[in-house]
Order: sequence, then structure tokens, then C-alpha cells
Amino acid sequence: DAKTTQPTSMDCAEGRAANLPCNHSTISGNEYVYWYRQIHSQGPQYIIHGLKNNETNEMASLIITEDRKSSTLILPHATLRDTAVYYCIAVSGGSNYKLTFGKGTLLTVNP
Amino acid sequence: AAGVIQSPRHLIKEKRETATLKCYPIPRHDTVYWYQQGPGQDPQFLISFYEKMQSDKGSIPDRFSAQQFSDYHSELNMSSLELGDSALYFCASSFGDLRMNTEAFFGQGTRLTVV
Repeated sequence: DAKTTQPTSMDCAEGRAANLPCNHSTISGNEYVYWYRQIHSQGPQYIIHGLKNNETNEMASLIITEDRKSSTLILPHATLRDTAVYYCIAVSGGSNYKLTFGKGTLLTVNP
Repeated sequence: AAGVIQSPRHLIKEKRETATLKCYPIPRHDTVYWYQQGPGQDPQFLISFYEKMQSDKGSIPDRFSAQQFSDYHSELNMSSLELGDSALYFCASSFGDLRMNTEAFFGQGTRLTVV
């Protein structure tokens, strides 16, 4: 499985876009990149996932570089309720196609 | 929309007792995953089932067992409980495993406290 690396913490002003980076330089061609977030002690919440194309849904956008070695999760208009730990996870057959949580990014949205 | 249902939400047990946690997946989901999250830690994978068969096993103690039933709900059985078993236990479900370009959705968890 590709190891993912994320910053430990980030801050964002309310109403601004939050851009959360993730490095996955060893990712292989069949590994999907999944993003989840966890608001304190709640169940992890699915945000978005992708393989090589950029993806967008009602929650966020996922930008994957052409070489697939990194990606960025974009929350277009962050609110206080977006304060959470964000996990970037590479999923492949090496992990039997399950989610393996590493150290995510604590995003704090400030008023 | 229906979500993953876990019961109970809170459970207090004494050392050496047993506990059973239940997970009801989203309708039509055939894959269930169990995770344990200790205080200040990230969720750790325990075990998963696909179509009622165990599909993968992680760092699950031998004192724990789990199964998936014919209606796709799953139960995690924990025996000889130890103080260190105090944690949040999450269940997730998906339609097929994640090789099928699908999503896994988590329940709100069971908080187990062993005293």
C-alpha cells in the first residue's frame, strides 16, 4: 500500500477555501485515494475518492496530480462545522481493499 | 437515507466480562468492517466480512470474534474484557469491497468502557 503523508494540522478562516494536501509518492496505478473526516469521537465520514481524474461532489473537490504522487482536498467555503481530522487513504489490493487510517490533518476553521 | 446502525451506543462492563456489539449495515450492503479507536488514536482495523465470510483480519485479539449473519448484520463478541479494551468501536459497510470503486460508510460507534 502507498503510504500517505499529511500535515499534522492546518488552520482556515471561515468562508475561505480549505486546501488539504496529501502526498502519496509510492501510489500504484490501481490505488484509489479516499478522503474521510472525523469530527470529535463521531464515526468517520466519507468525503470523496478518486483514481486519476479530478472529482467533485456536494462536499468537496479532489485534485489529483497527473503523476498521481499527490492530491489536494478542497472544501470551497469552510464553515466552523468543517473542523475535524481529515484522513487521506490509499486503497489497493495490498490492503485487501480496506481503509487503513494513518495520521490525518486536524483542520481548524476559525471564525 | 438509512445509515449504518450500531448498538448499543454506550456500554460499561467490568474486567473479565463479555460484551457483544451489533452492527446493521446500510440496506443492500454486503460488506462490513470493524474498527477500534482508543483514546487519542486513529481508527485501527479489526476484521471485515464480505457476503457472510471473513474477508480480512487485522489486529484483532484472540479474545474477540465476529461474524456476519444471513441478513448481513454483524456482531463483534469480546470476552475476558481488559481495561485496555476501552475504546470506540466503529462499524462500516459498503456494497462490495473497495476494489469496486464504491464507498464505505461508518456508523456512529459504540463506546465501550471497561472498569
